[in-house]
Amino acid sequence: EDQVTQSPEALRLQEGESSSLNCSYTVSGLRGLFWYRQDPGKGPEFLFTLYSAGEEKEKERLKATLTKKESFLHITAPKPEDSATYLCAVRHNDYKLSFGAGTTVTVRA
Amino acid sequence: DVKVTQSSRYLVKRTGEKVFLECVQDMDHENMFWYRQDPGLGLRLIYFSYDVKMKEKGDIPEGYSVSREKKERFSLILESASTNQTSMYLCASSSLGTGNYGYTFGSGTRLTVV
Repeated sequence: EDQVTQSPEALRLQEGESSSLNCSYTVSGLRGLFWYRQDPGKGPEFLFTLYSAGEEKEKERLKATLTKKESFLHITAPKPEDSATYLCAVRHNDYKLSFGAGTTVTVRA
Repeated sequence: DVKVTQSSRYLVKRTGEKVFLECVQDMDHENMFWYRQDPGLGLRLIYFSYDVKMKEKGDIPEGYSVSREKKERFSLILESASTNQTSMYLCASSSLGTGNYGYTFGSGTRLTVV
């Protein structure tokens, strides 16, 4: 059975304190790994898609990387506005994504 | 700006009521999805549809049904609401094969069943 596991469940950071979130997956025939950001009371918003091991994508203070078994979302010098829940999902057929439970990041000023 | 619109942000319903959650997308996407999101459990797929009048069960379809009469509209129906269906419900859409962006989500409907 396909599984997506995110760690840690929650992460508290001081402003400027860089850290990483982990998404490990077991899926046959990965056809894309997706990162989303979700603010409280809102739907998830797309951040990145990664397709192959070694691939990297960047957006502002966020950088996503992919290996054969896991993906990392690195947050460099975070600001309070980076506080959100970050979701990881894997695509394993034409239509469906399987989601992890998310990592809730809180950045204190 | 492309959108997935869910008709209600907050709903409070009584046990046993029939509940309709509506979702409309303006991107001409083939695929549409209904998820529920609960703390610690993440997003769980209830139903999805890859074409008009087509539907497939997701991981947790019990107690729910869906309707897709038009390409842009996907409705989730709780036949007889129960308290364990209190949750955040998220609708999403995607183009065939999900493309580079995965899903586009609506803002969610927080349903409370009392």
